[in-house]
Amino acid sequence: SAVISQKPSRDICQRGTSLTIQCQVDSQVTMMFWYRQQPGQSLTLIATANQGSEATYESGFVIDKFPISRPNLTFSTLTVSNMSPEDSSIYLCSASWSSGNTIYFGEGSWLTVV
Amino acid sequence: GENVEQHPSTLSVQEGDSAVIKCTYSDSASNYFPWYKQELGKRPQLIIDIRSNVGEKKDQRIAVTLNKTAKHFSLHITETQPEDSAVYFCAASRGAAGNKLTFGGGTRVLVKP
Repeated sequence: SAVISQKPSRDICQRGTSLTIQCQVDSQVTMMFWYRQQPGQSLTLIATANQGSEATYESGFVIDKFPISRPNLTFSTLTVSNMSPEDSSIYLCSASWSSGNTIYFGEGSWLTVV
Repeated sequence: GENVEQHPSTLSVQEGDSAVIKCTYSDSASNYFPWYKQELGKRPQLIIDIRSNVGEKKDQRIAVTLNKTAKHFSLHITETQPEDSAVYFCAASRGAAGNKLTFGGGTRVLVKP
């Protein structure tokens, strides 16, 4: 399986601030996604990160709150903007190498907003 | 959109017994069904997956069955061991239509020694 690295792995953030999470994959991938996992909950897709174009957001998630970049085939960022305690979650980057194939997850970024 | 329901939410089994987790999905176009295991503080790890052209798949102590007509699929773990204790998630996607996974709510499995 591929190596998907995320930074930061963990952070404590002040209410009202923004934080950018980086995701680096060790080889070129077709698809990259960002998921959110709230404490004790399942995984919810935030958006599909599209290389060279705007991300595709799922219902309930908007670009102003979760801007995403994907400048190339191995790297993506997710920004959590104007954070509130409700944004305290694990944010997971995931990737797959061609449509229809296995999706792997990064280690996750554990954010606590105080 | 797709909706995946997973049952039970918690499952306690005696070591050596079998564990079964069941999921139903709503989108008849879904054709890829992976299962992930998530240990405390760790990322979800793929343990087995099945595609719609197959009814059953097995990998050592783990097996998955799929009933496309009824739109449900199940994970079977035999001869459970304490290291099988974790949260298990089922998921569904249309595969070629973008790979977006919709996850079930998760099952917390506890294997008692």
